[in-house]
Amino acid sequence: AQSVAQPEDQVNVAEGNPLTVKCTYSVSGNPYLFWYVQYPNRGLQFLLKYITGDNLVKGSYGFEAEFNKSQTSFHLKKPSALVSDSALYFCAGGYGFNKFYFGSGTKLNVKP
Amino acid sequence: DTEVTQTPKHLVMGMTNKKSLKCEQHMGHRAMYWYKQKAKKPPELMFVYSYEKLSINESVPSRFSPECPNSSLLNLHLHALQPEDSALYLCASSQGVGQGGSYEQYFGPGTRLTVT
Repeated sequence: AQSVAQPEDQVNVAEGNPLTVKCTYSVSGNPYLFWYVQYPNRGLQFLLKYITGDNLVKGSYGFEAEFNKSQTSFHLKKPSALVSDSALYFCAGGYGFNKFYFGSGTKLNVKP
Repeated sequence: DTEVTQTPKHLVMGMTNKKSLKCEQHMGHRAMYWYKQKAKKPPELMFVYSYEKLSINESVPSRFSPECPNSSLLNLHLHALQPEDSALYLCASSQGVGQGGSYEQYFGPGTRLTVT
């Protein structure tokens, strides 16, 4: 079965420090992987995606993600966290006919 | 412009009411989606429309009835809902309708539904 997993319910980081939000995937064939962010009482905002090509994908708001086939991971990273990055982050995989499967979500807390 | 709009923002309805949620996008996207999201949980796919035709129904109860009047609009008609249907209902759209789910989806802000 196709799935993505986010092993951490919550990540805490100090402002200015690098952040990593973890995601692992389990798919057959080539994975299509995405990161979304959700602020309270809002819809999801697309950050970046991996389809094929370079393993380092750059996205919106200074975020990037590294695709690692051997570790079946697609971790979200940012060199310097901002308080405004505090939100709920979802990793997602695409498959079939326009279907998405979301990870359970990771709450990111950036403290001043 | 990557905006998907949804109305209303909030909706409170009784279990015997009939109401509708509306979604609109002007990005020329050919696929549109309805999701249900409970607090602090990931979105759950309900319906997918491709080229204005229903292509996926994730075994959603018949008290939820989707409609796609044209390529820019998507409605979700609600009737005889249960309190457990209270949730954030999200609409999304994507450019393509290809295999492999390779197209990113753009989400609206959602409608917060409360069933009393």
